[in-house]
Amino acid sequence: AQSVSQHNHHVILSEAASLELGCNYSYGGTVNLFWYVQYPGQHLQLLLKYFSGDPLVKGIKGFEAEFIKSKFSFNLRKPSVQWSDTAEYFCAVSNAGTYKYIFGTGTRLKVLA
Amino acid sequence: DADVTQTPRNRITKTGKRIMLECSQTKGHDRMYWYRQDPGLGLRLIYYSFDVKDINKGEISDGYSVSRQAQAKFSLSLESAIPNQTALYFCATSDGGARGDTEAFFGQGTRLTVV
Repeated sequence: AQSVSQHNHHVILSEAASLELGCNYSYGGTVNLFWYVQYPGQHLQLLLKYFSGDPLVKGIKGFEAEFIKSKFSFNLRKPSVQWSDTAEYFCAVSNAGTYKYIFGTGTRLKVLA
Repeated sequence: DADVTQTPRNRITKTGKRIMLECSQTKGHDRMYWYRQDPGLGLRLIYYSFDVKDINKGEISDGYSVSRQAQAKFSLSLESAIPNQTALYFCATSDGGARGDTEAFFGQGTRLTVV
């Protein structure tokens, strides 16, 4: 069965620090990969997605992620975080065979002003 | 207006009561999903539906049932609510695509408390 692992459960950073959140998935076939963000009290919103092509994808608000197939990873990065990036971040995977979206357990990011 | 609408937004109910959470969408998507979110556990799939006649169990379907009344409506029922069903519930939709290569769109969530 597919699974998604997010290794960092809680991350605290100061403003302007760089961010990298890890995501690994288990599935041997073709996958689609997503990062979603959930701001306090809100629903999930898409940050970025990877379906095919360039493994470095850019999303909204300065976020980017790199798909490394050999490592089954899709890590999220941002060069300089802001206080407004305080939120919970979820990695998710889907594939054409099941059309289900499987989510990781999430990473809570707190950015200190 | 939200494309994926959930009602109610908040609900407190007693143990043993039947409760229905509703989801409607204006995106025209065929695929609809119900997830529950618990702290530290992320989102777990309860049920999903690819069209009105296609209903599938997810990871944690025990204690839940669903109804796909129309392409745009997908309801989740708790037949006899129990306290460990206290959670944040999300409805989601997707267009699917030929390879499943589209993202899921989420509703605002329903916070359910079972006392």
